Amino acid sequence: GAGVSQSPRYKVTKRGQDVALRCDPISGHVSLYWYRQALGQGPEFLTYFNYEAQQDKSGLPNDRFSAERPEGSISTLTIQRTEQRDSAMYRCASSGTGAETQYFGPGTRLLVL
Amino acid sequence: RKEVEQDPGPFNVPEGATVAFNCTYSNSASQSFFWYRQDCRKEPKLLMSVYSSGNEDGRFTAQLNRASQYISLLIRDSKLSDSATYLCVVNPYKDTPLVFGKGTRLSVIA
Repeated sequence: GAGVSQSPRYKVTKRGQDVALRCDPISGHVSLYWYRQALGQGPEFLTYFNYEAQQDKSGLPNDRFSAERPEGSISTLTIQRTEQRDSAMYRCASSGTGAETQYFGPGTRLLVL
Repeated sequence: RKEVEQDPGPFNVPEGATVAFNCTYSNSASQSFFWYRQDCRKEPKLLMSVYSSGNEDGRFTAQLNRASQYISLLIRDSKLSDSATYLCVVNPYKDTPLVFGKGTRLSVIA
């Protein structure tokens, strides 16, 4: 079956613009996670959802970052007023009910100029 | 102290060699442990879970030492295709996000 998909795969934007990154989890997966990964580092947690409820947003760097999952399926991570330091690979992962194994999407590489 | 620490490497080993990676974690109450593999420019993928009793999957053996709070991964008879970054991953509590180490880079050389 289809895995986790993310769009766009690459996003180049100018400083100060807003961007929206989309994640489409594996069908039926309850939990959805957002991570950010810098070069040479492991994924760093941003936020996660069970169904449509945001369970933990402690990893979001500041209030320019927000995420939603209104219908418990697709999720959007929004970064407002982007800054150059926001440039990174943004990864989404999903997992099933009671499962710990997370399946990652291909990521969105964001470059803020 | 970082929650999960790994030697970043790189480990450069010849084909057929045995190589071992260690990882330490800071939260003694952590529940679950994993090794993920990440190929260059690809997403991380689960390699194997790590159980207290130790577990083996083909050429790969994972072990957990709760008393010392470290996890290990042993790869026997290394193949060129084993070249990747190996991420040590800890789940502090049930239903909480995973905590990843920075990864250990392995290059298997012909």
